Amino acid sequence: DADVTQTPRNRITKTGKRIMLECSQTKGHDRMYWYRQDPGLGLRLIYYSFDVKDINKGEISDGYSVSRQAQAKFSLSLESAIPNQTALYFCATSDLPSGLAASTDTQYFGPGTRLTVL
Amino acid sequence: GDSVTQMEGPVTLSEEAFLTINCTYTATGYPSLFWYVQYPGEGLQLLLKATKADDKGSNKGFEATYRKETTSFHLEKGSVQVSDSAVYFCALSETGGTSYGKLTFGQGTILTVHP
Repeated sequence: DADVTQTPRNRITKTGKRIMLECSQTKGHDRMYWYRQDPGLGLRLIYYSFDVKDINKGEISDGYSVSRQAQAKFSLSLESAIPNQTALYFCATSDLPSGLAASTDTQYFGPGTRLTVL
Repeated sequence: GDSVTQMEGPVTLSEEAFLTINCTYTATGYPSLFWYVQYPGEGLQLLLKATKADDKGSNKGFEATYRKETTSFHLEKGSVQVSDSAVYFCALSETGGTSYGKLTFGQGTILTVHP
């Protein structure tokens, strides 16, 4: 079974609808992230959570919200979807870095959710 | 703020050709550097990484050397295969401050290898 799973894998919705994307992980990692991928723009960070009680905005959080229900679950919501939120969304996890080499923690990505807002 | 710039794509090569994908970065501290690969229909996976200047990351025949003097982390492979066709992302992660542990990605480079 995959370590990081995302549901749904594909979703088509209409402008103004509320939608939730879910992410679950079995890696036991404390840190979880939501990114969106747009052609030619790479991946941009939407929200991240370093533990269940620590949630932070990324560079493009407007129009999105998140919920960290448990260590293993991190959901992304679009309260009122708009067409420019059409993108590929990825969840990722990482472990706490150890020692002084603080940022060597690898991020592990889910398979992505392709969202289309009409 | 931090940024990563990759060479423009797409890159199209014949099998067994030499590959270079350029990556340069701007960072305020002493970042770790990564190459991630995304195969068609899949999420990203780590290809290689380097944590300090002059370190060389390597995996699956790919290599990249952390060059602090030129703020670069170019990806190379001596002989590409059709199975290497994918999107390649350069990324950095700061080692401290408010950016601690977060990745900043380049825009990605599409590689297509023909038989």
